[in-house]
Amino acid sequence: GAVVSQHPSRVICKSGTSVKIECRSLDFQATTMFWYRQFPKQSLMLMATSNEGSKATYEQGVEKDKFLINHASLTLSTLTVTSAHPEDSSFYICSANPLGGNTIYFGEGSWLTVV
Amino acid sequence: RKEVEQDPGPFNVPEGATVAFNCTYSNSASQSFFWYRQDCRKEPKLLMSVYSSGNEDGRFTAQLNRASQYISLLIRDSKLSDSATYLCVVRRDDKIIFGKGTRLHILP
Repeated sequence: GAVVSQHPSRVICKSGTSVKIECRSLDFQATTMFWYRQFPKQSLMLMATSNEGSKATYEQGVEKDKFLINHASLTLSTLTVTSAHPEDSSFYICSANPLGGNTIYFGEGSWLTVV
Repeated sequence: RKEVEQDPGPFNVPEGATVAFNCTYSNSASQSFFWYRQDCRKEPKLLMSVYSSGNEDGRFTAQLNRASQYISLLIRDSKLSDSATYLCVVRRDDKIIFGKGTRLHILP
């Protein structure tokens, strides 16, 4: 089946630094990928829609200058958390669906801890 | 009103019982419907797509009612391993909307 890979799966960074998370579709191409955040015991929250070759679309309340999204190819989107703070510590998940397909596949998620 | 609504639960159900979840959606232009399962501290995984004709996969049956704008998931003969959060997902054009999930605990 279709596979979406995220890297790193876990990262610890110091407050004020930036962290990049990669989301790759391994066996299909995706013009659109989605980034979510999930705090413990809470539901998934869509942060932004990543569009290949154009600017990402951010959900209300999500700072685009803090969460930089780049979708440079049909198989890779990256999320960079800039100037990270402890309150950014969360589970970040990406998803994608194959071109022309309907099913949404999720990456394994990335646990970010900012200390 | 949220576009996709689910009862958050938790549903505490004895092993072997049948449990049913509903999910309602507000936008009649919604096109595709799914149930995902999310285990604690893991990513959601597709359980099944949902069609108007209804579809069944082993102990799981999903149904879509477009007139009333809801989808359902029925789990028969529940197992301990069915304990998870079940997410209702609705797709409309390029937008994917998640319900907040229903937590299910299967009790031994």
